[in-house]
Amino acid sequence: DAGVIQSPRHEVTEMGQEVTLRCKPISGHDYLFWYRQTMMRGLELLIYFNNNVPIDDSGMPEDRFSAKMPNASFSTLKIQPSEPRDSAVYFCASRSTAGPGELFFGEGSRLTVL
Amino acid sequence: GENVEQHPSTLSVQEGDSAVIKCTYSDSASNYFPWYKQELGKGPQLIIDIRSNVGEKKDQRIAVTLNKTAKHFSLHITETQPEDSAVYFCAASIGGNNRLAFGKGNQVVVIP
Repeated sequence: DAGVIQSPRHEVTEMGQEVTLRCKPISGHDYLFWYRQTMMRGLELLIYFNNNVPIDDSGMPEDRFSAKMPNASFSTLKIQPSEPRDSAVYFCASRSTAGPGELFFGEGSRLTVL
Repeated sequence: GENVEQHPSTLSVQEGDSAVIKCTYSDSASNYFPWYKQELGKGPQLIIDIRSNVGEKKDQRIAVTLNKTAKHFSLHITETQPEDSAVYFCAASIGGNNRLAFGKGNQVVVIP
């Protein structure tokens, strides 16, 4: 398996623009997580899905952030409009088990908002 | 609470020496404690984990110990090598075990 695939790897955009980050989880994994990583706050859970259904979005910073999972092999995280403080590395991770177990992370999408 | 704290934030060790990173957690319901290693430009990768019914677990040069009473767990790396240089994150399960709370990470530098 190719692992969790994220795109784009790097994105530079201007404040106010819409940003869409994409994730393909490992085939057969029922759980998908979106994390944001910054120096100040470390790894923060934004939202997670189980069987394509959002279960907990309490970590989503504000209404500018939205996430979807239209099918088992694809998820998006959208920021509209983007702001400089959204600059971070965004990771997608997937997991196969219901209980606690290994998270498989993608290589991340580094976002810079000017 | 869901706090997970790591100490120290940066650790430099001579190649061949041991490195120890400690984490504390606040949620007494946590029962799963993984450690992830993140290399530059990559995503975190699981290196070892421990569940609350076990006090210690070892995998070659890496070991993890857990003290549930004191709510802390530690990562031990013996005979460190340059390829051990990375950021290490501890985490604890929260919210019915479907989520992980991560510490802020430790930068480990192995000096050749």
